[in-house]
Order: sequence, then C-alpha cells, then structure tokens
Amino acid sequence: DAGVIQSPRHEVTEMGQEVTLRCKPISGHNSLFWYRQTMMRGLELLIYFNNNVPIDDSGMPEDRFSAKMPNASFSTLKIQPSEPRDSAVYFCASRPEGFTGELFFGEGSRLTVL
Amino acid sequence: EDKVVQSPLSLVVHEGDTVTLNCSYEVTNFRSLLWYKQEKKAPTFLFMLTSSGIEKKSGRLSSILDKKELFSILNITATQTGDSAVYLCAAGGGADGLTFGKGTHLIIQP
Repeated sequence: DAGVIQSPRHEVTEMGQEVTLRCKPISGHNSLFWYRQTMMRGLELLIYFNNNVPIDDSGMPEDRFSAKMPNASFSTLKIQPSEPRDSAVYFCASRPEGFTGELFFGEGSRLTVL
Repeated sequence: EDKVVQSPLSLVVHEGDTVTLNCSYEVTNFRSLLWYKQEKKAPTFLFMLTSSGIEKKSGRLSSILDKKELFSILNITATQTGDSAVYLCAAGGGADGLTFGKGTHLIIQP
C-alpha cells in the first residue's frame, strides 16, 4: 500500500524565494496534518485539515505560511517569502477521520533556506 | 496549552543494558499516548496507550501509562545498536493532531 507521499524530499533555496511543499495522503484518510521539525523545537503541528477543510491553523508561524487542500488527495504548504529560520524538515501525516490513534507520516521534505 | 515533556533528552548506554524513557503530558481532553521511533527520517509507530496500568509489549520494548500521574514510560531491555534512535512521545486529545515531546536521543554503544 502506498503511504503518505511528500515532495520534494530536499529543497535548497535562497532567502526571499517562494517554496511549495506537496503532500498526497493515504487514500481514504480524511484528516491531514502538517508538522515542522527542528532540533530546537522538536515536532510542531502547523495546521490540520478534516475533509479538506482547515480546522486549526494556530500553529502556522506567520502570514508567510499558507496551506491548502483542494481535494482529498492533495495538499500544499507554501512559504512566501522564505527566510533562513524556516529551515527545517516538514512532515505531512494523515489518518482516518475521527480516529484518535496513530498518525501515518510521510518521509518529510528537508528545506534549507540560505 | 497542551504540553508533552520527555526525559532524559539524551542517553548513552552499552549494548545489553536496559533503558527507561519517561514522558509526562498535559493535554486537554486526553484520549491516547503514543510512542514513535525516529531514525533520520519519518517517525515510525511503536505503541498507543489509552488505559492506565495495562502494559503493551513488543519484543524487547514495553510501555505503560499512568493516567492519574499523567505519565508514561518506555522500556527497552537487552538493548542493541539498532535501537539507537530518537524516541518520541505524543499525546492526543481527540480528533486533533498529536502534541509531541522533543524526544529522547538514545545511543547504544557496542
């Protein structure tokens, strides 16, 4: 079975550039989560969707970050403009709606902003 | 604000030793406590605990939850070098996302 698929796996960009990270959740999973992981702060929840609707975006650091889920099989996380402090690994995770158990993680997108 | 605190943050032991990793949590409408193992890529699921006092076991790994003290431990017996990883504890408050601790970085020396 295909797991959560993220792209790109690695992205190196310069400060001020736009970055778009992509995620395809597991088929049939109605809830999708974006996390950011850094050494200093660990795994932080940025935003999550239920049935393509954003439920809680209180973890989004600032207006430079935006996320969309146009359909059940695709989500994007956009940073515009990017800054060096955005450098981190961004994970997408999914699970069936209403399920309170484990999240299924993608392999992550490692972002480096120079 | 929901909070999960893990200790120790790092631990170095020798192969064959037994280790105990700690996790305390404060989560609104707590439903479940989860342990993950992370080795340089995506976290992989180990255990989910929802009831106090019931040990979950998988090979050399075991975990237990204390809902009165808001605490969980993860034990690894007869450690091997392949157990070296970051162990993440997470608490869930229902249909919302999980709140993660910063993890325990475990190094097993041969």
